[in-house]
Amino acid sequence: NAGVTQTPKFRILKIGQSMTLQCAQDMNHNYMYWYRQDPGMGLKLIYYSVGAGITDKGEVPNGYNVSRSTTEDFPLRLELAAPSQTSVYFCASSYGTGFFEQYFGPGTRLTVT
Amino acid sequence: GESVGLHLPTLSVQEGDNSIINCAYSNSASDYFIWYKQESGKGPQFIIDIRSNMDKRQGQRVTVLLNKTVKHLSLQIAATQPGDSAVYFCAEKIGNFNKFYFGSGTKLNVKP
Repeated sequence: NAGVTQTPKFRILKIGQSMTLQCAQDMNHNYMYWYRQDPGMGLKLIYYSVGAGITDKGEVPNGYNVSRSTTEDFPLRLELAAPSQTSVYFCASSYGTGFFEQYFGPGTRLTVT
Repeated sequence: GESVGLHLPTLSVQEGDNSIINCAYSNSASDYFIWYKQESGKGPQFIIDIRSNMDKRQGQRVTVLLNKTVKHLSLQIAATQPGDSAVYFCAEKIGNFNKFYFGSGTKLNVKP
């Protein structure tokens, strides 16, 4: 199994541009998550999904959108990028209710200038 | 690798010594906790977990202690090795869903 994969690894955006961060998992996990990690900080939950077609907001959803059309994929969309969105983005997945361990991808480093 | 560790509290230990990393959590209703290890340039990796109805849980070379009275969690690493150098996060689960709130982390430096 590849686990959780994320693309791209690095990206530089100009203010106002848009992009989609890709996340895929091959473990047949029901739950998927998007976090951001700012320097010297812990992870903050952006959005999560409990299954295909179901998504909900986390702590810091503003400026982002998600969709979950399949069990495997959970893309994160940034619209109108702002410097405050410069961060490292991690996608994670877990089996589901009662199984709390989250498996993380390697991250995407995004810089908005 | 990423610069996530630049402003973090840092613990420096000698190889072979024991390490203790502390975490204060915020919500007395939290019922489950996880410690994660994050190496430079990588995503967090599960180390050990503990439920709120327990005070202590042991794994291989790691022990987690939970003090609910003062809302404090600690991770003890025995015979610390250079490969243990990383940033360590505690995460607390609040509510019924698998949503976790992460602490800001502690950077562990192991000196050979």
